[in-house]
This record gives sequence, C-alpha cells and structure tokens, in this order.
Amino acid sequence: EAGVTQFPSHSVIEKGQTVTLRCDPISGHDNLYWYRRVMGKEIKFLLHFVKESKQDESGMPNNRFLAERTGGTYSTLKVQPAELEDSGVYFCASSGPSGVFDEQFFGPGTRLTVL
Amino acid sequence: AQSVTQPDIHITVSEGASLELRCNYSYGATPYLFWYVQSPGQGLQLLLKYFSGDTLVQGIKGFEAEFKRSQSSFNLRKPSVHWSDAAEYFCAVVSKTSYDKVIFGPGTSLSVIP
Repeated sequence: EAGVTQFPSHSVIEKGQTVTLRCDPISGHDNLYWYRRVMGKEIKFLLHFVKESKQDESGMPNNRFLAERTGGTYSTLKVQPAELEDSGVYFCASSGPSGVFDEQFFGPGTRLTVL
Repeated sequence: AQSVTQPDIHITVSEGASLELRCNYSYGATPYLFWYVQSPGQGLQLLLKYFSGDTLVQGIKGFEAEFKRSQSSFNLRKPSVHWSDAAEYFCAVVSKTSYDKVIFGPGTSLSVIP
C-alpha cells in the first residue's frame, strides 16, 4: 500500500509568485492534515480536512494560503503571493476515522524556498 | 497556551549506549501524547503513544516512554542505541482546545557515534 505522497519535493520561487503543493493521502483515509515547519521552529498545524470539508483551519497563517480537497481525495495548498516568511517544509498527513487518535501517516514533505 | 518542550536540541550518543530524550508538556487534564521520529528524507513516523492506562508505553524499534503526571513529562528511552536511530525526534500532544490538531515540540536531533 502506498504511503502519503507529496509533490513537489522541493520548490524554489521568487517572492510574489504562486506555488501549489499537492498531497495524496493513503487511500480511504478521510482525515487529511497540513503542517508547516519553518526553519528552527516547531512543526505547526495548518488545517484539517474530513473528506472534502475543512474541519479546522485555525492554523492557516493568512489569506494568502488556500487549501482545497475536491472530491475528498488529494489536497492542494496554494500560496499566492508567496512571501519570504513562507519558506519552510510543508508536511501532509492522513489518518483513519478516529482522526488524531488514529496513527497519522506523514508524507516526506515539500521544502519551499521563497527568494 | 498549551506547549510541548524538548530541552535538548541535539544529543550525541555512542552506538550501544542507552538513550533518554526528554519531553515536558503543559496541559490541564490527562494529555494524549506521542513520540514521532523523522529520518532524513522521510516523513514523520509514529513511535508510540499514550492515551491512558499503563504509564510505561512500549513502541516500535525498541523504544519506550514513561508518562509521569507529577512531572508533566513523557520521556523517551531506548536501552541500546543503533546507528540507524540517528534521526530527529518529536514529542507531541493533542490540543485540548481542538481534537483536530496535534501540537509538536521543537524536536531533538540525535547523532550516533560508531
């Protein structure tokens, strides 16, 4: 069974550009989470989907970030326009029906560098 | 605010030596606690979790952790470290304000000397 996959693995863009990150969860996992780790800091929660619905997006930094999960399968996280402080590693995780009380399976992350 | 602290940013141990990674949390009620490991180029992997019951929890890869309510700690231990244990280790707790999210500590990077 394939694990959580994320694309791209790395992205280098200039300030003001747009970037879209993609996450493919484990098949059948309704719960999908996005996290971010800025260099030297903790891994921070961004948002949580249950199927296609946003359950909690309290961690989204601002309205330059837009997450979608059309059809309840893969998810995208778009940053528009990107700022320098958006640099970091963006992780996606998925879990079974009990949410965080089931094991969260993490993808390898997308390393975003904004120049 | 709820938080998780890992006092050691980086630890170096010799292969075969014992290991203890420290974790402290701030939480008003019984916490739901995790330890994750991230090897280079990999996603985070769950080592073990504590929700209730026996305060000594066994995990994968020979790791264990002990929940001590009086000390607000959940330290991770391994009796004999292998070179493949070199990785970054994260302690985490489910948020008490939202069961949708997990709060992570800053991580402890482990180096293993042959």
